[in-house]
Amino acid sequence: GESVGLHLPTLSVQEGDNSIINCAYSNSASDYFIWYKQESGKGPQFIIDIRSNMDKRQGQRVTVLLNKTVKHLSLQIAATQPGDSAVYFCAENPLGGSQGNLIFGKGTKLSVKP
Amino acid sequence: KAGVTQTPRYLIKTRGQQVTLSCSPISGHRSVSWYQQTPGQGLQFLFEYFSETQRNKGNFPGRFSGRQFSNSRSEMNVSTLELGDSALYLCASSKTDRAGGYTFGSGTRLTVV
Repeated sequence: GESVGLHLPTLSVQEGDNSIINCAYSNSASDYFIWYKQESGKGPQFIIDIRSNMDKRQGQRVTVLLNKTVKHLSLQIAATQPGDSAVYFCAENPLGGSQGNLIFGKGTKLSVKP
Repeated sequence: KAGVTQTPRYLIKTRGQQVTLSCSPISGHRSVSWYQQTPGQGLQFLFEYFSETQRNKGNFPGRFSGRQFSNSRSEMNVSTLELGDSALYLCASSKTDRAGGYTFGSGTRLTVV
């Protein structure tokens, strides 16, 4: 049969505001998590990662929070810019971060209004 | 520094045909992974190669296969194409085997008619 397209959650924010993108991961054995950004016509681009022995990690304008109790991951983008408009994916590595097998979430489309 | 190069960028094939996609990793990278991206299923892991050996395989039928050469370049092959194989096929490479160190190419858009 015909595949049904994924209905991507969409987050629309005003330029300059902070954005929070959420993700629920599936495997309680996963101990390594990554956020990727994908722009139209391009492959996913690494943003930030975090290991399960941490709750929070900060990068440039981005912060990732990990709540292992409820298997939840979030990405915070400070002072969101039009160039941040893209689809954001969380990914988990169920093999301890030692191999290139990633399980990706469904993605969230971030739209930044100027 | 050149990124991950995938060729061709676009491909149209007929049902029942086979196709080979190519991936040239970043120089010095020995690990290569392949993913399929579709609107219906999202990004799904196909397989991973390290030093010419397949280390891990996703849940895809045997029609999907791959290999890696001694120069770390990788190819994936899909035989007996089906309409549902239409997708963006992404390759990613890494110097180590750390997932966060993977750099993705721009992909090959395969359309099966």
